[in-house]
Amino acid sequence: KQEVTQIPAALSVPEGENLVLNCSFTDSAIYNLQWFRQDPGKGLTSLLLIQSSQREQTSGRLNASLDKSSGRSTLYIAASQPGDSATYLCAVPSGGYQKVTFGTGTKLQVIP
Amino acid sequence: GAVVSQHPSWVICKSGTSVKIECRSLDFQATTMFWYRQFPKQSLMLMATSNEGSKATYEQGVEKDKFLINHASLTLSTLTVTSAHPEDSSFYICSASNTETQYFGPGTRLLVL
Repeated sequence: KQEVTQIPAALSVPEGENLVLNCSFTDSAIYNLQWFRQDPGKGLTSLLLIQSSQREQTSGRLNASLDKSSGRSTLYIAASQPGDSATYLCAVPSGGYQKVTFGTGTKLQVIP
Repeated sequence: GAVVSQHPSWVICKSGTSVKIECRSLDFQATTMFWYRQFPKQSLMLMATSNEGSKATYEQGVEKDKFLINHASLTLSTLTVTSAHPEDSSFYICSASNTETQYFGPGTRLLVL
């Protein structure tokens, strides 16, 4: 059974700081890994999708890396802004072709 | 990109009534749709997986008679919460897939009074 853990659970940083969110998973036989953002009371916004053959993906100030062998992924946010404040979730396939297990989430607060 | 919609976006109902939530894939045909539930301050938990034209597969602990899922076409799946109670109040999110990637809907917030 896939288990996904995110560290830290919560993070508060001043505006402009670079930061790293961590995601670890127990079953490394994955097709891909996704990072999502969720604003309070809202649905999911897909940020980055990394295929199993890739090591990293970049979108603007976001960079996600994937190390399948160690069961880890990181989401790097450069020059953080107050608008980045949200909960960040990683999700990996589990137990079958298309099932997905979500991580526990990291709640980020960027202080102006 | 692939777009998934949900309707309604939020609903308030009285205890004992049934509520139907629709999930649509707008620009692609989804062979598989998934329903998730998210309680406050918790992550998303998979409730069930449905394939078009067949019965849904429910995760352990999810009552299939309580949460009726219908996947009648390749672009539409519905979740009906029957005889809703306050403990069913939650955020329900669907996703649709035709490959190994899932595309998520915006979610439906249900409040049962």
